[in-house]
Amino acid sequence: NAGVTQTPKFQVLKTGQSMTLQCAQDMNHNSMYWYRQDPGMGLRLIYYSASEGTTDKGEVPNGYNVSRLNKREFSLRLESAAPSQTSVYFCASREDSTDTQYFGPGTRLTVL
Amino acid sequence: EDKVVQSPLSLVVHEGDTVTLNCSYEVTNFRSLLWYKQEKKAPTFLFMLTSSGIEKKSGRLSSILDKKELSSILNITATQTGDSAIYLCAVGGSNYKLTFGKGTLLTVNP
Repeated sequence: NAGVTQTPKFQVLKTGQSMTLQCAQDMNHNSMYWYRQDPGMGLRLIYYSASEGTTDKGEVPNGYNVSRLNKREFSLRLESAAPSQTSVYFCASREDSTDTQYFGPGTRLTVL
Repeated sequence: EDKVVQSPLSLVVHEGDTVTLNCSYEVTNFRSLLWYKQEKKAPTFLFMLTSSGIEKKSGRLSSILDKKELSSILNITATQTGDSAIYLCAVGGSNYKLTFGKGTLLTVNP
């Protein structure tokens, strides 16, 4: 039982490049979330998926897209990376019928 | 707009001290308050408090929810160096989304 896994762990991009962050969970949770964490800003919600086939914007969605591929997987795509997207990205899944979210190990992204 | 404020932002103590971390909130449709511990990687879940469970305890850690004052405290007794971490408070509101505070950085010196 791995919980929530994310790939890659680290990534360096140049401005304008694109990439996809992958997330998978094996806890059979319906809801999944993408956050970014910046110094002094706490965790901010980018997008979430309440169930397979649905996605919704969070607090800071600009510059990102998501895909809920199936119940297990939820990916985050940066189409044209900008230095302002340098951050640590966390994926989480929520235990059904509670607010408790479980987090993946994170991806540290640097955009030059 | 939902808001969660934690205090202090950082705290340095010696091993064996007792610490109290604070969290206050303004959230529409409050459902729960959660505490997480974040060391170098992902936040790990500590407690969830709701209207039906306003006190939780696990070993040296305990937490209380005060719905009247819209706040919560996290107490850690007999601190150890392994307690050094960022402690995050989050509040569950509409649509099962969490709003996080900025965290309290706790440093426990030997």
